[in-house]
Amino acid sequence: GAVVSQHPSWVICKSGTSVKIECRSLDFQATTMFWYRQFPKQSLMLMATSNEGSKATYEQGVEKDKFLINHASLTLSTLTVTSAHPEDSSFYICSARDPKRLGELFFGEGSRLTVL
Amino acid sequence: KQEVTQIPAALSVPEGENLVLNCSFTDSAIYNLQWFRQDPGKGLTSLLLIQSSQREQTSGRLNASLDKSSGRSTLYIAASQPGDSATYLCAVSHPTNTGTASKLTFGTGTRLQVTL
Repeated sequence: GAVVSQHPSWVICKSGTSVKIECRSLDFQATTMFWYRQFPKQSLMLMATSNEGSKATYEQGVEKDKFLINHASLTLSTLTVTSAHPEDSSFYICSARDPKRLGELFFGEGSRLTVL
Repeated sequence: KQEVTQIPAALSVPEGENLVLNCSFTDSAIYNLQWFRQDPGKGLTSLLLIQSSQREQTSGRLNASLDKSSGRSTLYIAASQPGDSATYLCAVSHPTNTGTASKLTFGTGTRLQVTL
């Protein structure tokens, strides 16, 4: 099946620093990628839709200056958590839609962020 | 606003049993419905994708049905195995004005445990 790779799989950082998470579609081109956040034992919460070559579309309540999204190529989107605080600690998951597979969505392995 | 509900929230069955997971959605004007499994601390694995015009899809021991008019989908797992233990999520998308799939709305998930 289609593969979406996410890196790093886990990261620990100090409060106030910024952390970048990468999401790559390995065997298909994705004009659209999605970033989700998941709290323990809860379902996924969509944060933003990343569009290649244009600005991301953020969901209501998600701070765009806090969570910077860049989708510079058809196979790479990045999420940067700026000035991270302990409340930003969470599991972040990206996904990409394969247009050649009738819009089926594929997910990365997730990145666990812990802010100390 | 689309709402997706999954019942039951948790399920424990002995190995070998057949089981059914339920998913219901409030807005029947969907583009497609996708079933995923998520292992603890991991991303999502796509299991089955059903387009709005289809009534079911099968993959190995898995069979997913879709009744769009009643807003329901079921995931049938035959001859369950301990390796099937995971959280199962259903998600629906809607058609955009360009004829593609919109972002996904996720259900609340069913946590399945298959015991020896």
